[in-house]
Amino acid sequence: QLELQESGPGLVQPSETLSLTCTVSGGSLVSTTYYWGWIRQSPGKGLEWIGSIYHSGNTYYNPSLKSRVTISVDTSKSQFSLRLSSVTAADTAVYYCARALIVNYYYCLDVWGKGTTVIVSS
Amino acid sequence: DIQMTQFPISLSASVGDRVTFTCRASQNIGNNLNWYQQKPGKAPKLLIYAASSLQSGVPSRFSGSGSGTDFTLTISSLQPEDFATYFCQESYSIPYTFGQGTKLEIK
Repeated sequence: QLELQESGPGLVQPSETLSLTCTVSGGSLVSTTYYWGWIRQSPGKGLEWIGSIYHSGNTYYNPSLKSRVTISVDTSKSQFSLRLSSVTAADTAVYYCARALIVNYYYCLDVWGKGTTVIVSS
Repeated sequence: DIQMTQFPISLSASVGDRVTFTCRASQNIGNNLNWYQQKPGKAPKLLIYAASSLQSGVPSRFSGSGSGTDFTLTISSLQPEDFATYFCQESYSIPYTFGQGTKLEIK
């Protein structure tokens, strides 16, 4: 059974870079059917799609975050990662990694990690 | 960006009731619409994709319909485990916007 697990610091200083890793177990990152993505949820903004990556490294980002976001993949470690630079309190949220299923060109998030809370504060 | 509006914001119902959630897109998205269920402290769970396709393992009491701008999620007979918050998400164009959610509460 596929499982995703987020890891990374729970507290980040303002103006610093948030870095999270998602480890995939019980399945392979390398598949033509799936992308891998990051989503966040905060009381103020609700659920927000951050971006997705294919195992080849092709990425798609939310335009509102594009200048600050980098998503990368390491297939040898079965991991993909999120970096968000120049964070502010507005980036405080629960961050989820998820598998993005592409079915007949339809995109949906069919497997999610449990989420990790990141607080931006000094 | 496409805006997704869900209504009502909250809904009270009883076990055995039939309930319907509504999601409206700010432009035509075809049938590129997903529904998720989220319980407190948990990650969202995919229920429906492509507006009406039931995700594997999801009970058949859940169904989705609609196309264009107006979509509905229906639970035919509420079970105790269905009390949660339900979100729609457009998958027509990036940034794949989510609705603000409808919270289903026990009456």
